Amino acid sequence: GENVEQHPSTLSVQEGDSAVIKCTYSDSASNYFPWYKQELGKRPQLIIDIRSNVGEKKDQRIAVTLNKTAKHFSLHITETQPEDSAVYFCAASPSNTGKLIFGQGTTLQVKP
Amino acid sequence: GAGVSQTPSNKVTEKGKYVELRCDPISGHTALYWYRQSLGQGPEFLIYFQGTGAADDSGLPNDRFFAVRPEGSVSTLKIQRTERGDSAVYLCASSGSDTQYFGPGTRLTVL
Repeated sequence: GENVEQHPSTLSVQEGDSAVIKCTYSDSASNYFPWYKQELGKRPQLIIDIRSNVGEKKDQRIAVTLNKTAKHFSLHITETQPEDSAVYFCAASPSNTGKLIFGQGTTLQVKP
Repeated sequence: GAGVSQTPSNKVTEKGKYVELRCDPISGHTALYWYRQSLGQGPEFLIYFQGTGAADDSGLPNDRFFAVRPEGSVSTLKIQRTERGDSAVYLCASSGSDTQYFGPGTRLTVL
């Protein structure tokens, strides 16, 4: 079955710097890749997603890139702000299964 | 509109007891998912409903876990003979397409 690996597990940046989180997946049939942000004690919230027919997607300060050949995808956050501090999860959805397989999470700390 | 809701928000039970966790999905969403999240980990898939039927229950850890969605809306996750290792946050999500919207979760503690 699908397996998702996420790195790094923790990331600390200065406010205004960029942050990059990387994920790899194992099932080449996976076709949907969302990213969720989870604050302590809260529900995961979708921040951006990408489908396998697209290589890159951007939404203001957040962008996601997908390399299907290498089976990896990355989250890029520019001009980080303290409120970006949270745990970020990547996920992959094997084709036609509906379910999400999540990475282990990255704790992002943005220092003011 | 209203998001996904889950009740109770917290449940404390004793080892060996039976518990039921409820999920109210976003109105009109045909797909409903249950995940389990242990401390410091990503959500782990348990079961997925499309309408009233379980389309994929491959994530249920053993036969103590069971879920139903009799009318294609509200779902109940049932855990029999609870064990301390069942302690976790149980998350429900619903979707009308690819995007899954999560509920706040039920924190289950088995003493």
